[in-house]
Amino acid sequence: AQKITQTQPGMFVQEKEAVTLDCTYDTSDQSYGLFWYKQPSSGEMIFLIYQGSYDEQNATEGRYSLNFQKARKSANLVISASQLGDSAMYFCAMSANTGNQFYFGTGTSLTVIP
Amino acid sequence: KAGVTQTPRYLIKTRGQQVTLSCSPISGHRSVSWYQQTPGQGLQFLFEYFSETQRNKGNFPGRFSGRQFSNSRSEMNVSTLELGDSALYLCASSFVAGGPGEQFFGPGTRLTVL
Repeated sequence: AQKITQTQPGMFVQEKEAVTLDCTYDTSDQSYGLFWYKQPSSGEMIFLIYQGSYDEQNATEGRYSLNFQKARKSANLVISASQLGDSAMYFCAMSANTGNQFYFGTGTSLTVIP
Repeated sequence: KAGVTQTPRYLIKTRGQQVTLSCSPISGHRSVSWYQQTPGQGLQFLFEYFSETQRNKGNFPGRFSGRQFSNSRSEMNVSTLELGDSALYLCASSFVAGGPGEQFFGPGTRLTVL
């Protein structure tokens, strides 16, 4: 069975500082994808970054980077130079090799303080 | 390229009624997945359709059903609504036929059952 765990219900970060949001996963599949989505109060899920299980390098997308540690089964999201607009819920998700079903964590609410 | 669209955006129904939600995927995407998001249960997978066939189904009662049309548009139906069906229903589309692949989410339909 697939499982995603996010242990930080809420996080605060000062504007312009970096923040790390934790995510651990459990799967017996060899091929899987790890994703981070941002969900503002409007409800829409915004794709941030993707890491494939066979990717050797950590994924980066602008201010977002994914710290992928396969042996530890962790896929932490690092947001550099936080902005006020980064305040939102952040979800870690995994898709396995059996289709497009996503497994989501419980989310982390990030608040950026001016 | 237009994103995933969902209609209606907001819906209020009473217990016992039925409801139909619609999702139009990104052009060229043939996979459509549905998710239910509630404060208590988080994001839960409902089902996935690909080329008009249901490929995966989550752990929801038979009151929840869906279908996909030849143009990849999808509908989900909930019959005999219960108060616990109040949720944000998110639709996601994907180009990839089999996982793992990125999913693009629509803005969601917020259903309130009174």
